[in-house]
Amino acid sequence: NAGVTQTPKFQVLKTGQSMTLQCAQDMNHNSMYWYRQDPGMGLRLIYYSASEGTTDKGEVPNGYNVSRLNKREFSLRLESAAPSQTSVYFCASRTGLAGRDTQYFGPGTRLTVL
Amino acid sequence: RKEVEQDPGPFNVPEGATVAFNCTYSNSASQSFFWYRQDCRKEPKLLMSVYSSGNEDGRFTAQLNRASQYISLLIRDSKLSDSATYLCVVNRITDKLIFGTGTRLQVFP
Repeated sequence: NAGVTQTPKFQVLKTGQSMTLQCAQDMNHNSMYWYRQDPGMGLRLIYYSASEGTTDKGEVPNGYNVSRLNKREFSLRLESAAPSQTSVYFCASRTGLAGRDTQYFGPGTRLTVL
Repeated sequence: RKEVEQDPGPFNVPEGATVAFNCTYSNSASQSFFWYRQDCRKEPKLLMSVYSSGNEDGRFTAQLNRASQYISLLIRDSKLSDSATYLCVVNRITDKLIFGTGTRLQVFP
């Protein structure tokens, strides 16, 4: 049981390049999330998916797109990277079970945009 | 005003000390409350949920005060391994969790 996995762990991009961050969970959770974490800002929600086939914008969606490929996988795409997107990106999935509601995070992707 | 506010710290305490963190939330419709722990350069992990009646897990006690809209975390007999950032998390009747920016705790020998 791997939990939530993310790839890559580290990435350096040049301004204008594109890339996709991959996320997968093997816990059969319906809800999945993408966050970014910056110093002093805490975790900010980029996009989330309440169930397979649905996605919704979070607090900071501009510059990003997502795909909920199936129940396991939720990817985040940067179409044209900007230095302001330098951050640590976390994917998460959530049980949503009453009394045992827990959000599990992947290990994160450290992205630098030059 | 942020929806969830925490004192960033750091709180520097000696081993064995008792330390308490508070967190305030602005939306009275908030339904669920949690404390997460995040170690340096790692992902956040659930420490404990916070229930209306208060709850305890070993050395950790969480309290909720709905009237004043704050939650608290008390750590007794601090260990070096408790050094981390503690994130306050709030949920309304949505699928989204709102994270505070965290309170940093440093326990020294």
